[in-house]
Amino acid sequence: DIQMTQSPSSLSTSVGDRVTITCRASQSISNYLNWYQQKPEKAPKLLIYAASNLQSGVPSRFSGSGSGTDFTLTISSLQPEDFATYYCQQSYSTLYTFGQGTKLEIK
Amino acid sequence: QVHLQQWGAGLLKPSETLSLTCALYDGSFSGYYWSWIRQPPGKGLEWIGEINHSGRTNYNPSLKSRVTISVDTSKSQFSLKLTSVTAADTAAYYCARKYSGSYSNFDYWGQGILVTVSS
Repeated sequence: DIQMTQSPSSLSTSVGDRVTITCRASQSISNYLNWYQQKPEKAPKLLIYAASNLQSGVPSRFSGSGSGTDFTLTISSLQPEDFATYYCQQSYSTLYTFGQGTKLEIK
Repeated sequence: QVHLQQWGAGLLKPSETLSLTCALYDGSFSGYYWSWIRQPPGKGLEWIGEINHSGRTNYNPSLKSRVTISVDTSKSQFSLKLTSVTAADTAAYYCARKYSGSYSNFDYWGQGILVTVSS
């Protein structure tokens, strides 16, 4: 299995902050990396696919970068609706695996 | 607009079989893989398996011995069966569409069903 490790596990932040979440794969996955946002009691929502491509309808304050084993999700200016949990997911291997999640909390 | 609606029993006893169904509304069923993903309370996401319109399946090896995913293309539905459930199978279960282009991702999700296993 390809293990996906996110950091930090949680982050206390404020509206307007620039936030960066990292995701590391246990082996090279090229750019087969997706990011999802999940709010409580809701299904995950696709934000970024193929490491850096913004899904249709997702605000441009979200961006992704990286390739190989190290990836980042950046929110340029945090909005109130962005407080949620974020997951990375690799699609390099058919045994799809997710990171453990990063929870953004209000400071 | 693609919409996935899922249903099934939410409370099971140990050793029973979990059975969930997911229906696609307003979208094409062929040309995609259709997945099941679960999330134990307060924990992360685990991919269970997938099926395409032809019935070709891929399963997570950790669950493969207990999982069956089937498809009914005439109804644009797919189903999950998980046998011999235990408390460790308590989770929210989601169905999802896997976009299968050059870079696959889960672009549409069902609303989720919390399945609790308790005696």
